[in-house]
Amino acid sequence: EVQLLESGGGLVQPGGSLRLSCAASGFTFSTYAMNWARQAPGKGLEWVATIKGSGRSTHYADSVKGRVTISTDNSKNTLYLQMNNLRAEDTAVYYCAKGIDTGTSTFDSWGQGTLVTVSS
Amino acid sequence: DIQMTQSPSSLSASVGDRVTITCRASQTITRALNWYQHKAEKAPKLLIYGASNLQAGVPSRFSGSGSETDFTLTISSLQPEDFATYYCQQSYTTPTFGGGTKVEIK
Repeated sequence: EVQLLESGGGLVQPGGSLRLSCAASGFTFSTYAMNWARQAPGKGLEWVATIKGSGRSTHYADSVKGRVTISTDNSKNTLYLQMNNLRAEDTAVYYCAKGIDTGTSTFDSWGQGTLVTVSS
Repeated sequence: DIQMTQSPSSLSASVGDRVTITCRASQTITRALNWYQHKAEKAPKLLIYGASNLQAGVPSRFSGSGSETDFTLTISSLQPEDFATYYCQQSYTTPTFGGGTKVEIK
C-alpha cells in the first residue's frame, strides 16, 4: 500500500524559510514522478512542483519559481520542498503526491497534507 | 498556462441522483484530463485518468467522458460518501486544476 506522510509545516514569518518533507513507502520511490500541490484557505488545488524522469528533472509553478526547490533522497525514500522568501500568499496545506508513472502529471496517491502559515 | 473551467461551482443533490460536472479547457488537451475527489481534512483521491479510465478501487458509478476541450464527470447514483468537492486537472502540459465543484446534500 502506498503511503505518503508529510511533515515540516508550521508558522513562519514573511521572508522566512521552511523545508517540507514527505516520507514515502509502498512503492519503488525512484521510478515515479513526485509532486507537491497546495490548497490555500478557501481556495482550490494548485500544483506547485514536480520532480520526474530518470534524470529527475524539476518543474515549478510560476507562483513559486525561484523561491522553492524540489528534491529527493532516494536512500531515504523522501521528497522535499525547500521554500524560501515565503509570502502570505504561500499560506496553504501542502500535499505530497505520487505520479502515476515516471513522467505524466497524473497524481494517483496523495498524503494528508501539512499546513504552512506565513504570518507576522 | 491552460485554464480549466468547471461548472457548476456547487450543486445540491439527493442520494440516488445522477450528477454531472463539466470541465472545459482553454485549448485542446486531447484526453489528458483527470478527476479527483477531495473531502475536508482528507487526502485528495484520483477517480478518473485519461478522461475516461477508472482508477483502481473507484466504484463504477463514477465515469468520465470527453476529449479535446470538453469533459464530463458523471456519478450515476449519488451515495452518501460522495458528498465532496471534485476537481478536474489537465496533464497535457504544466498541470492546472479547475476551480472545483462542491457537491452538497439537498
